Amino acid sequence: GQNIDQPTEMTATEGAIVQINCTYQTSGFNGLFWYQQHAGEAPTFLSYNVLDGLEEKGRFSSFLSRSKGYSYLLLKELQMKDSASYLCAALDSNYQLIWGAGTKLIIKP
Amino acid sequence: IAGITQAPTSQILAAGRRMTLRCTQDMRHNAMYWYRQDLGLGLRLIHYSNTAGTTGKGEVPDGYSVSRANTDDFPLTLASAVPSQTSVYFCASSDSRTGELFFGEGSRLTVL
Repeated sequence: GQNIDQPTEMTATEGAIVQINCTYQTSGFNGLFWYQQHAGEAPTFLSYNVLDGLEEKGRFSSFLSRSKGYSYLLLKELQMKDSASYLCAALDSNYQLIWGAGTKLIIKP
Repeated sequence: IAGITQAPTSQILAAGRRMTLRCTQDMRHNAMYWYRQDLGLGLRLIHYSNTAGTTGKGEVPDGYSVSRANTDDFPLTLASAVPSQTSVYFCASSDSRTGELFFGEGSRLTVL
């Protein structure tokens, strides 16, 4: 079956760095997405990786290892507004998105 | 710039009633989707449409139907609502160049 695993909840301190991991098992693979979702709001796009390596975009970076079925989202210089759920999703061979349950990130002052 | 508009934002519905959630996009995206999101679970695909005139079943299609008469509109209908359909429903469309999904603000449905 197809499956995405990510931690349910993480806590970090304002100004620090946090890494949210995601492992995936899919029928074929056409890329890995990260979305941010604030409570009561819609998910918004953060990043897309299809090749191995690190993609950096400001304070946020995303890493992919296709051979390991593994990705992580790295958030630097954490701000209180980064408190949200972070959703990992893999695109399978049929170009359908398989979603993880999301990681709730709590930022403490 | 509207993007994707969903209506209603929230609704309380008696079991057995029929309900249509509306979704309209102005980005001319071909592909559109309906997801439900429940606490502790990931987004689950209900139905999708790759282009106007075609629809397909997702992971949890039972009790729901969709239509895609044109590019912009993709309504979701619950023919006879049941309490297990209490959820937050998100409509989305995707940019065919990047695969990025754009979501509506969601419709919170409570079936009593």
